[in-house]
Amino acid sequence: GAVVSQHPSRVICKSGTSVKIECRSLDFQATTMFWYRQFPKQSLMLMATSNEGSKATYEQGVEKDKFLINHASLTLSTLTVTSAHPEDSSFYICSARVLAGVTDTQYFGPGTRLTVL
Amino acid sequence: GNSVTQMEGPVTLSEEAFLTINCTYTATGYPSLFWYVQYPGEGLQLLLKATKADDKGSNKGFEATYRKETTSFHLEKGSVQVSDSAVYFCALGGSNFGNEKLTFGTGTRLTIIP
Repeated sequence: GAVVSQHPSRVICKSGTSVKIECRSLDFQATTMFWYRQFPKQSLMLMATSNEGSKATYEQGVEKDKFLINHASLTLSTLTVTSAHPEDSSFYICSARVLAGVTDTQYFGPGTRLTVL
Repeated sequence: GNSVTQMEGPVTLSEEAFLTINCTYTATGYPSLFWYVQYPGEGLQLLLKATKADDKGSNKGFEATYRKETTSFHLEKGSVQVSDSAVYFCALGGSNFGNEKLTFGTGTRLTIIP
């Protein structure tokens, strides 16, 4: 099946620094990727929809200047957490959408755990 | 708006027991329904899905039937194995072909004891 990778898998940073997380579709092209945030023992919350070659669409309440999303190619989307603070510590998960005929499926990456000290 | 209510966990069962994880939803239109599974240290994997009322999704011995009248999509398996231990998420997608956004339930952690 379709494979989505994320890098890094874990990152620890100091407060005030910026962190970039990569999401790659390894064996397929994805015009649409999604970024989610998962809090401990809670569900995934959609942060934004990333479309190749255009600006990301952010969900209500998500600061677009803090969570910068770039989708420069059909296999790569990046999420940059700018000026990270401890409250940004979370598990960030991306997914890539595959449209094939009548099949419409999201394939998820393994997630990136961010810890801001 | 759309929402998914999922059975709270954790759920602990003995091997070969029968499993049911309840999931109900609120949505406009006719959404697709999904069950995703997250094994320890891994990303979410699509387990099964159903795209219209009365459809039954099935995979790896798991089944779920799209019940429009009760707005439910309960996950069942007749005989669980230790390898089924994971977190299970019920999710709701966009109507018809447009599954651009998924709304997830809170997840149910399942532990199977040998």
